[in-house]
Amino acid sequence: AQRVTQPEKLLSVFKGAPVELKCNYSYSGSPELFWYVQYSRQRLQLLLRHISRESIKGFTADLNKGETSFHLKKPFAQEEDSAMYYCALRVNYGQNFVFGPGTRLSVLP
Amino acid sequence: GAVVSQHPSWVICKSGTSVKIECRSLDFQATTMFWYRQFPKQSLMLMATSNEGSKATYEQGVEKDKFLINHASLTLSTLTVTSAHPEDSSFYICSARWQGTYEQYFGPGTRLTVT
Repeated sequence: AQRVTQPEKLLSVFKGAPVELKCNYSYSGSPELFWYVQYSRQRLQLLLRHISRESIKGFTADLNKGETSFHLKKPFAQEEDSAMYYCALRVNYGQNFVFGPGTRLSVLP
Repeated sequence: GAVVSQHPSWVICKSGTSVKIECRSLDFQATTMFWYRQFPKQSLMLMATSNEGSKATYEQGVEKDKFLINHASLTLSTLTVTSAHPEDSSFYICSARWQGTYEQYFGPGTRLTVT
């Protein structure tokens, strides 16, 4: 069965420090993974997707099929990065997503 | 572009009554809409997927007779919670996408409180 895990419910880092939000998945098919972000009192929005290999707001994520991971990284965290981050796996031929439980990132001044 | 709205943003209803939540795609034709449920400090759980003009596909454990989903047009889907109970209190979020794309655009959510 498909599943997405994010082991950390809360991650606190100081401004300027590197940050890594962990995501692991289990899926028998070819995985497509995404990171979504939800800032305070705002709707969920797409941050990045692995197939595009892009960097958004300084964040990057590499799909590691051997470790079944898709960790989100940023070398220097900013206070405005504080938000809820969800890792998501696209399943059922793209029909829907399975979301991880989310990690709340708090960047301290 | 690609804006999804929900109405109402917050609703309180009495136990036993029904409440309808609307999800609209404002600037695109949504061939597929999704309904999620989010409990406090928890992740989104997919409830159902609806394609325009056809019956919704419900996830395991979601009662289709309790959570009625209608996707009658390419810009509107509705979720009706029938005979609501306090345990139905939650945050309901819809998302939408158009044919040929995987990206989902999320609505702002509707907070339902059943007293």
